[in-house]
Amino acid sequence: DTGVSQDPRHKITKRGQNVTFRCDPISEHNRLYWYRQTLGQGPEFLTYFQNEAQLEKSRLLSDRFSAERPKGSFSTLEIQRTEQGDSAMYLCASTIQGPDTQYFGPGTRLTVL
Amino acid sequence: GQQLNQSPQSMFIQEGEDVSMNCTSSSIFNTWLWYKQDPGEGPVLLIALYKAGELTSNGRLTAQFGITRKDSFLNISASIPSDVGIYFCAGQTNFGNEKLTFGTGTRLTIIP
Repeated sequence: DTGVSQDPRHKITKRGQNVTFRCDPISEHNRLYWYRQTLGQGPEFLTYFQNEAQLEKSRLLSDRFSAERPKGSFSTLEIQRTEQGDSAMYLCASTIQGPDTQYFGPGTRLTVL
Repeated sequence: GQQLNQSPQSMFIQEGEDVSMNCTSSSIFNTWLWYKQDPGEGPVLLIALYKAGELTSNGRLTAQFGITRKDSFLNISASIPSDVGIYFCAGQTNFGNEKLTFGTGTRLTIIP
């Protein structure tokens, strides 16, 4: 395992459709984070998990967004009824509990038409 | 959401020149991080700083954690073509395990 992986890398969808992204963290990293990055901006925090527990959610995470990490390993981020404003890069990062830093995946680029 | 103030927004330099960029915040952070992001990829960690006043190097990169804990800077010496990209600072309020607050980014371009 060489790093955080995300799938798909690119997703194009029509407004109103549902989409789901997957993140596989580095093995044994028990903390997993989701960020959103719009064009020309830095990543912004959405939510994070310690093991399977979702510990914090940003105000950016509207009711149309839901994230899960059912077994404390991979995580999914679902967006329901997508809007054009949801177009962004969705980044996943993982870290191990204790003094450490977050390592990012390559991201999923979402385009809503 | 909150974003840290990063300057300059963009830089156009010649190969071999030194580069300096900084990041400021209105609030205190316990950890400062510097990342580089290439187009279509996730940010890659360059340097992590854990103590106020700390000066850390990673090859041609040097970063410092400001004494006030509200700022940090990154220097790149003798720039090379592969340094092109967007550099982001990020702050954490707790040690290693809290959400990151990112800066607005500095885009580095090398003029041939």
